[in-house]
This record gives sequence, structure tokens and C-alpha cells, in this order.
Amino acid sequence: AQRVTQPEKLLSVFKGAPVELKCNYSYSGSPELFWYVQYSRQRLQLLLRHISRESIKGFTADLNKGETSFHLKKPFAQEEDSAMYYCALKRESGGSNYKLTFGKGTLLTVNP
Amino acid sequence: GAGVSQSPSNKVTEKGKDVELRCDPISGHTALYWYRQSLGQGLEFLIYFQGNSAPDKSGLPSDRFSAERTGGSVSTLTIQRTQQEDSAVYLCASSFGWPNEQFFGPGTRLTVL
Repeated sequence: AQRVTQPEKLLSVFKGAPVELKCNYSYSGSPELFWYVQYSRQRLQLLLRHISRESIKGFTADLNKGETSFHLKKPFAQEEDSAMYYCALKRESGGSNYKLTFGKGTLLTVNP
Repeated sequence: GAGVSQSPSNKVTEKGKDVELRCDPISGHTALYWYRQSLGQGLEFLIYFQGNSAPDKSGLPSDRFSAERTGGSVSTLTIQRTQQEDSAVYLCASSFGWPNEQFFGPGTRLTVL
């Protein structure tokens, strides 16, 4: 079975401060990891995926297979980063590799 | 172009009634997914359609839930004899084949009184 854990329901930081949203996963095979974001009154959208190894809106995330983690980081948080963030996992290949398993989400608030 | 659309945006119903939720995927997207987002929970996979293949219904929580996809495009999620625990936001997503990026709709908020 695959599981995604986001230990923090709420995270509050000040503008300009570093932010790290934690994500740990449990999966016996080779996973593909994602971060999705949902801004207030907007639809859920993909933020980044580990295979892309890119920085989106200043956010980065590195897959650490040893620690089974995929933490989302940004060195200097902005107020517009305030949103709900979901970590998600799917199988890298093979059957059912379309099925995303989501964590429960972390609500990030960036205070002025 | 237009994104994934869902209707209605909000639905309030009484316990025991049947409801139908509609999803219009992005034109040309062959894969369609339904998820449920309950209060305090993450998104829960419900069902997946890909082209003309048999759908993956493994996430449907009970036999009161069913879904169909007509003509490989529009999908309807039906919940029969609704219960209060069915109250949630139901999200639809589509992708161009699989396992490509899923694009989500705005959701339907279902409230069962």
C-alpha cells in the first residue's frame, strides 16, 4: 500500500522567512512524487514533480529515497504563497500508475 | 482553452436522495478521474476512465457510488441514497492519456442534510 504523510496541518511563517513543508511517504516500489497547490478560491494545480527537478515560483523539492521524504522548500516566503499544499505519490511505472495518493495537506500562511 | 468544468458547483440534498455530479473534461483528454475531498482529509481516489477501457472503480467507497463516461467525454458520478458522510467536495480531473499531468476542475461541494 502507498501512503503519504504531511505531519503539519498548519504552518505559519513571516514574509521573507524560509519555509519547509514536510512530506513523507511509504511505498515499496519506485515512486513518483508531486506537490499540488490550491490557492484560495482556485482549483487544485500541479506545482512541481520530482522528475522535473525544476524550481517553480521559487519552490524546490528533492526526493530523498533513504528518508522516504519529499519536502517542499522555499528560501524566502512571499504572502502570495499562502495556500493549501498537497504532497502526492504514484507508481513510477507499471499498472495503476495513474492513481495518485494524496497527503492530507498543509495550510501555509505567510504573514506580512 | 477551457479547463475542466464541473456542475453543479454546490449541491445540498437530503439524506436518502440520489444525486448526480457532472464533469466535462478538457477537450481531447482521454483520461478522466474522480476524487473526493472530505473535511480534514486528503484527496481520495474514486474512479478512473481511460478511453474505451474498463474503468478502475477500486476507489469507490460503496455500491451506492457509480460513474459513467459517455462517448469518451462527459462523466457523471451518481450517489444513490446519500448519507451524511458523503458530504465532501468531489473533484474531477482529466489528462491527455496517462500518466500525464492531471488538470483539476473546481469541484462540486456536496452537503447531505
